[in-house]
Amino acid sequence: DAGVIQSPRHEVTEMGQEVTLRCKPISGHDYLFWYRQTMMRGLELLIYFNNNVPIDDSGMPEDRFSAKMPNASFSTLKIQPSEPRDSAVYFCASSSPFTPGLVGNTIYFGEGSWLTVV
Amino acid sequence: QKEVEQNSGPLSVPEGAIASLNCTYSDRVSQSFFWYRQYSGKSPELIMSIYSNGDKEDGRFTAQLNKASQYVSLLIRDSQPSDSATYLCAFPSGNTGKLIFGQGTTLQVKP
Repeated sequence: DAGVIQSPRHEVTEMGQEVTLRCKPISGHDYLFWYRQTMMRGLELLIYFNNNVPIDDSGMPEDRFSAKMPNASFSTLKIQPSEPRDSAVYFCASSSPFTPGLVGNTIYFGEGSWLTVV
Repeated sequence: QKEVEQNSGPLSVPEGAIASLNCTYSDRVSQSFFWYRQYSGKSPELIMSIYSNGDKEDGRFTAQLNKASQYVSLLIRDSQPSDSATYLCAFPSGNTGKLIFGQGTTLQVKP
């Protein structure tokens, strides 16, 4: 399997511009997660989907952020308008079905999208 | 109280020594715990998972879980410079599919 695929790997954009990050999860995984990582705040969960449906978006920082998952093999995270404080590494991750209370799910990360907003 | 607490380090150990990384968590419902390793500039990768109280060994790595104390640790024996990385502990939040991560402990193994 090719693993979780993210694009772009690196993006430098100007403040106010729209940024779209893309993710293809591992085939057969029905959970998809978007995380953001910064030195100050560590690895933060932004939103996650189960079977293409958003389950918890409480980590999305504000209305400038939105995420979609139109089908099982594709998701996007959009920032509009972008601001310098959005500069971070954005990871997409996926996992197989979760068995509550028994075995935790192992999640697999993509290589990340390194975003710099100037 | 944070859901997961880790000492950010850096933890510095000489090559060949035992490195001990610790994590405490607040969710008493959690049944499983994970250790991820993240090299600088790379994504986190799973190295150990543990579901039962006690020790689980995998090569040079041993995960230890104490549910009563809400404590999980990772021991790395015969530490190598290639083990230098940030180690993140994680657990599922309640009966959901999402993992909560600690801030990570940076390990430096000096030759």
